[in-house]
Amino acid sequence: AQSVTQLDSQVPVFEEAPVELRCNYSSSVSVYLFWYVQYPNQGLQLLLKYLSGSTLVKGINGFEAEFNKSQTSFHLRKPSVHISDTAEYFCAVTRNAGGTSYGKLTFGQGTILTVHP
Amino acid sequence: GAVVSQHPSWVICKSGTSVKIECRSLDFQATTMFWYRQFPKQSLMLMATSNEGSKATYEQGVEKDKFLINHASLTLSTLTVTSAHPEDSSFYICSAGSTGYYGYTFGSGTRLTVV
Repeated sequence: AQSVTQLDSQVPVFEEAPVELRCNYSSSVSVYLFWYVQYPNQGLQLLLKYLSGSTLVKGINGFEAEFNKSQTSFHLRKPSVHISDTAEYFCAVTRNAGGTSYGKLTFGQGTILTVHP
Repeated sequence: GAVVSQHPSWVICKSGTSVKIECRSLDFQATTMFWYRQFPKQSLMLMATSNEGSKATYEQGVEKDKFLINHASLTLSTLTVTSAHPEDSSFYICSAGSTGYYGYTFGSGTRLTVV
């Protein structure tokens, strides 16, 4: 089984400042990793995903994340945030089953990012 | 990109009645559908996984007779909350997986309030 820990439940930051949202995972098998964003009363939107290859993954809206296998981490970063980035962010993991099978996603508890003017 | 349409967005129902939530994949075939429940200020809790044409697999603690899931086609999955009670009030979200696409497309969610 997999588990995900998001180390910060809330992250306040000023506009145009950099931000890092931390995510650590635990798994005995190879995994796929995801970051999602959720705005109030909406579903989840995929920011980026790591499946294989380069450990630095670039996503939408200027976000990027780095997969660190030795530290079992997948931290999300943005060099300069905007007010519109205020939302809840979820890190998620599923086992790498290969092929086209879809394993269950396990989510972290979420990090609320609040960008202040 | 892949889109999943979920409706209704909001529903209020009386205690004891049933409510059906639909999720449709608009431009791809959803071979697998996941149904989640999310309580305020909490993460998503997986309720069940369904594959087209098969019975859903429910997570431990989820009553399969109360939360009926049907995945009759590759583009439509439904969740019916039967004999709803106030404690069933929550935000329900579906997520579709498609062969060859290593990701999960989420619906926009349904806010269910049982009064």
